[in-house]
Amino acid sequence: KNQVEQSPQSLIILEGKNCTLQCNYTVSPFSNLRWYKQDTGRGPVSLTIMTFSENTKSNGRYTATLDADTKQSSLHITASQLSDSASYICVVRAGGYNKLIFGAGTRLAVHP
Amino acid sequence: DVKVTQSSRYLVKRTGEKVFLECVQDMDHENMFWYRQDPGLGLRLIYFSYDVKMKEKGDIPEGYSVSREKKERFSLILESASTNQTSMYLCASSLEGPFDGYTFGSGTRLTVV
Repeated sequence: KNQVEQSPQSLIILEGKNCTLQCNYTVSPFSNLRWYKQDTGRGPVSLTIMTFSENTKSNGRYTATLDADTKQSSLHITASQLSDSASYICVVRAGGYNKLIFGAGTRLAVHP
Repeated sequence: DVKVTQSSRYLVKRTGEKVFLECVQDMDHENMFWYRQDPGLGLRLIYFSYDVKMKEKGDIPEGYSVSREKKERFSLILESASTNQTSMYLCASSLEGPFDGYTFGSGTRLTVV
């Protein structure tokens, strides 16, 4: 069964600290993986997209990694800011039959 | 920037009412989608449309219908609202392909009482 599991469910960190969010998937065949940021009361916004051949991609203070062999991705946030408080959603696109499988998200709270 | 606008941020409706959720995008995207988002669950696809007057069922179409009379507008209809349809509803559009490169609206939080 195609699944995307994210951990932790929620996380609290202090401003300025780093954190890493995890995404494990069992989707096959794999097409790509996106990380979205969703602020409270808003729609998700894409941060990065990873294809099979990419293992690291950065977007400012956000760095996503992908290990296609172990079917794991991570999102690393450096020098966190209060504005990073949001839910982060991992989405895997299954190739072949064109389907998106969404993780339940990690809720991050950055405290001053 | 592409904008996807959902007409209502918050709605409260009574059980049995017919409910219309409207979504408009301004960048001539072919593909439009309706998802619902519930705590602890990933987004679930209700319906999508890849062209005017075309619609396809997603994973959870029961109790919903859609209308796409114009390219820029995609409406979600709850024929007879029930309490288990209380949720956040997200509309999205995409240009690149049916299942990629989404731009999401801000969502409509619907409460059915």
